[in-house]
Amino acid sequence: AQSVTQLDSQVPVFEEAPVELRCNYSSSVSVYLFWYVQYPNQGLQLLLKYLSGSTLVKGINGFEAEFNKSQTSFHLRKPSVHISDTAEYFCAATKGGSNYKLTFGKGTLLTVNP
Amino acid sequence: GAGVSQTPSNKVTEKGKYVELRCDPISGHTALYWYRQSLGQGPEFLIYFQGTGAADDSGLPNDRFFAVRPEGSVSTLKIQRTERGDSAVYLCASSADPTNTGELFFGEGSRLTVL
Repeated sequence: AQSVTQLDSQVPVFEEAPVELRCNYSSSVSVYLFWYVQYPNQGLQLLLKYLSGSTLVKGINGFEAEFNKSQTSFHLRKPSVHISDTAEYFCAATKGGSNYKLTFGKGTLLTVNP
Repeated sequence: GAGVSQTPSNKVTEKGKYVELRCDPISGHTALYWYRQSLGQGPEFLIYFQGTGAADDSGLPNDRFFAVRPEGSVSTLKIQRTERGDSAVYLCASSADPTNTGELFFGEGSRLTVL
């Protein structure tokens, strides 16, 4: 079965520091990969997605992620975070043939401190 | 409104009661999804509608859970004989075209607490 693992449940960082949120997936077939963000008291919104092509994907708010097939990873990065990036981040994957059904990781709470 | 709207935002009920949760998707979105998010977990897929029909209900945990979308727009998730383990945030999402793995637009969720 498809599973998505987010290795860190919480990541505290200082403002303007770089951050990496880790995500690994398990699959023996091609997958589509996503990062969603949930700000306090708001719905999930899409940060970025990988469907095919370039393995480096750029999203909103300065975030980017790199698809690494050999390591089955899709880590999210930002070179310099802001207080407003404080939120819960979810990695998700679909599987070819059921691309409407997202499997989510447990989430990583990013807390940016001044 | 412009986004996915879910009501109620909070629902507290007693064990054994019946509950309905409503989702109003973005206008024109043919695909609608229900997910459930338990405390400390990521959202879990429940059911997917394409138009009026449930194309995939494989995520519904048991026959106490049922969802409808009679006119291809608003959807209602119905839970019979609620149990304490049903306590969670129920998320609704919609999309214009599920086949191109496009963006899902999520509502803010309905938080259900079963006492």
